[in-house]
This record gives sequence, C-alpha cells and structure tokens, in this order.
Amino acid sequence: SQQGEEDPQALSIQEGENATMNCSYKTSINNLQWYRQNSGRGLVHLILIRSNEREKHSGRLRVTLDTSKKSSSLLITASRAADTASYFCATDAGYGNKLVFGAGTILRVKS
Amino acid sequence: GAVVSQHPSRVICKSGTSVKIECRSLDFQATTMFWYRQFPKQSLMLMATSNEGSKATYEQGVEKDKFLINHASLTLSTLTVTSAHPEDSSFYICSTQDRDSYNEQFFGPGTRLTVL
Repeated sequence: SQQGEEDPQALSIQEGENATMNCSYKTSINNLQWYRQNSGRGLVHLILIRSNEREKHSGRLRVTLDTSKKSSSLLITASRAADTASYFCATDAGYGNKLVFGAGTILRVKS
Repeated sequence: GAVVSQHPSRVICKSGTSVKIECRSLDFQATTMFWYRQFPKQSLMLMATSNEGSKATYEQGVEKDKFLINHASLTLSTLTVTSAHPEDSSFYICSTQDRDSYNEQFFGPGTRLTVL
C-alpha cells in the first residue's frame, strides 16, 4: 500500500520562480528518492538521500530529509517550462529494495 | 544510468485476450526487476518483484495467476496479463536496479494497455 503523501497535489508557478514539494512517510527508511515523470512516460531518477543525510543538492534541485518528522522536501530553483511534470517521492525501507511511492505532485511551470 | 526498454509502448486488445509486455535491461544484467501499475492521475503501485531464475514475489492483492511474470534471463522480464478485462487498462512500468548504483532504480518508458 502507498505509504507516502505529497503536497501540494498540484502546483502552478511562473517560469523563474522556485517550486517546493513536500513528502511525508510513515515508517523508518533506508533512503528516500525523488523521481520525475513526464505525461505518459516512464520515471526519471532525480536524487537519492540516505537516512543519515539531511540535505542534498543536484544542480537546481535541493532535497531535505527530516527523519524525526518523517518528511522530505524537493526544491526546484529558477524553474523552467521544461520542469513541467509530475514529481514523486519514493521510500526504500530496506525490504528487498522495494520502493513505496507517494501520491505525487503535478507541477506546471508557465512561460 | 542504466537503459531499460519496454515493448510494446501501447497495446489495445479485446476483453478476454492475453497480453505480454517485455521489459529489457539493455546495458547491464538485472537479477531483479520490478513491475508497477499506474492508473490515470495516480501514483505507481508495486505489483511484483521479478527475480531471475526463480518465482516472482507478488504484492498483497495482486493475482499471480492473472499477472504472470517470467524472468528467464538477466536482461529480460515479461509480464503477461491473462484474460484481460477493461479494469486491467492501465500504464504498466518496469524498473531494474543496478547494483552499482546504491538502490537507484531505472525505469522503462511504460506500456499503455487498453482493454476494450
């Protein structure tokens, strides 16, 4: 069953603005990952943050992890129209490397 | 990252027929592949874990006799939807895990199944 929840469900911003998406989960994890999915396509791995890490950067992406609150956030800075997609967090609790996905956030960046 | 392909990308079939979806790992050997189902505007739900040379492990609520998984080689896993019904219409996505990339999974482009 899905264990993650994400908010907002949908986010619409102007190009150049920052976009922040949040993810909460319920159980202890080994790591948390963020993926992007363009409409009708497969998923693209964005970033992985381990349970002993608090913050990670990759280009315009910044991910934080608060294991005490069982939550994570994904920040996309200086957004572009090409960032328009659905974004999912996924947690790995260490059970055979299975991923449990959050509900996702639909991001629309208007040019 | 690893390259994963799926075939076909889209399939439309009549109710009662069986459909086979292939998932191939193109540039590394995958001992484990995962099959997900995604309904419109929803998230991915893990259906089963496909293990090379052994039986697949199915998630609770997924009928193993309806969703047959075969992982006969290190580069190919197949999912067969048997006696498909309209409620099986969905987006099916596979993923593989490269053991050299710490727990990162690489996803195929997905297969859109429509059952009439």
